[in-house]
Amino acid sequence: EPEVTQTPSHQVTQMGQEVILRCVPISNHLYFYWYRQILGQKVEFLVSFYNNEISEKSEIFDDQFSVERPDGSNFTLKIRSTKLEDSAMYFCASSDQGVQPQHFGDGTRLSIL
Amino acid sequence: AQTVTQSQPEMSVQEAETVTLSCTYDTSESNYYLFWYKQPPSRQMILVIRQEAYKQQNATENRFSVNFQKAAKSFSLKISDSQLGDTAMYFCAFLSHTSGTYKYIFGTGTRLKVLA
Repeated sequence: EPEVTQTPSHQVTQMGQEVILRCVPISNHLYFYWYRQILGQKVEFLVSFYNNEISEKSEIFDDQFSVERPDGSNFTLKIRSTKLEDSAMYFCASSDQGVQPQHFGDGTRLSIL
Repeated sequence: AQTVTQSQPEMSVQEAETVTLSCTYDTSESNYYLFWYKQPPSRQMILVIRQEAYKQQNATENRFSVNFQKAAKSFSLKISDSQLGDTAMYFCAFLSHTSGTYKYIFGTGTRLKVLA
């Protein structure tokens, strides 16, 4: 069964540095998402992406964050000037239609030192 | 704004027994979708079951079934014949799709432990 894949599985970065989290959604999917889960807390929506543009973003998704689909397969989340509070698990998800279930990757654990 | 509440932070059940996880939500939308996801220690979010709000019939998927009470805005998950592999965090999720955009709103999760 097709899967959403995320790399790296764990990223450790110094505060203030930039990180790029990578995702390969399921190939025929059209809707892409990033979610965040701070340790011990619930999963929070960050951003949705469709037709090569952001369709919705949460209050968390400020100017520090950006997403890109640089080619036909990858979907990236860039976090500039990282802060300690950016430490979390970041999940990528995709769906073939907006109302269909979203398929999640295994997540990237981001640790900011 | 939509909210999802899971009032049971932790639960345990004996192997082969039945357990019910509760979820309530609040929304002004009339047509929406509800999901249960499972997150085992391996951390991947796995879809368990889906319910369309316009369907009165409760969804069933093998040992997993829901009790969807639209008027009460309640969406509980029943796991029958619990197995050790069911040990995981379970998240209830509401699919919001206003203005053509889509996003999940998750509850805080219920940690389920199945005991041998």
